[in-house]
Amino acid sequence: QVQLQESGPGLVKPSQTLSLTCTVSGDSISSGDHYWSWIRQPPGKGLEWIGYIYHSGHTYNNPSLTGRVTISVDTSKNQFSLKLTSVSDADTAVYYCVREVGYSWYRWFDPWGQGTLVIVSS
Amino acid sequence: DIQMTQSPSSVSASVGDRITISCRASQGIINYLAWYQQKPGKAPNLLIYRASTLQSGVPSRFSGSGSGTDFSLTISSLQPEDFATYYCQQTNTFPYTFGQGTKLEIK
Repeated sequence: QVQLQESGPGLVKPSQTLSLTCTVSGDSISSGDHYWSWIRQPPGKGLEWIGYIYHSGHTYNNPSLTGRVTISVDTSKNQFSLKLTSVSDADTAVYYCVREVGYSWYRWFDPWGQGTLVIVSS
Repeated sequence: DIQMTQSPSSVSASVGDRITISCRASQGIINYLAWYQQKPGKAPNLLIYRASTLQSGVPSRFSGSGSGTDFSLTISSLQPEDFATYYCQQTNTFPYTFGQGTKLEIK
């Protein structure tokens, strides 16, 4: 059974950097079978895809967050991470790490981590 | 970005009802579409991918259809555990985008 677990601070001050790590169990990031994504959801709102990473380190980020997002991978720990710089209130959200499955442009997210709430506040 | 618009935004229904949720893309996405169910305080859960393929373990009362710009999710006979929020998502073009969600409530 594949499981993903987010970890990191639940409170970040404005203008600082949000850092989260996702630990994967039951699957190997280094197998290269899947992509690994971050998705966020502001309280009471919808879902926003942040970006993905492949085992090779290849990434694609949502242009809406260009310049602020870095997604990295540590295959030795079977983890991938998210850094979001210069955060503001608008970055307060539940952050999910997810496995991206599929082929060609047929992509879907399964499974999802349980999510971690990050609040941006001084 | 491709805009995904769901309708209705919310709907009230009763156990046993048949309901359909629509999802319209701002441009053609062939059938690169998935549907998710989210219950309060929980992560979304995959229901359907490739517009109409049921994820393993998902009850057969759920079905998806559509291609191009217009898609739908149908629940043939609502069960108490189906009351949740549903999201569509396209993967035709980066960035992947989601609909705003449809909240299904008990009447």
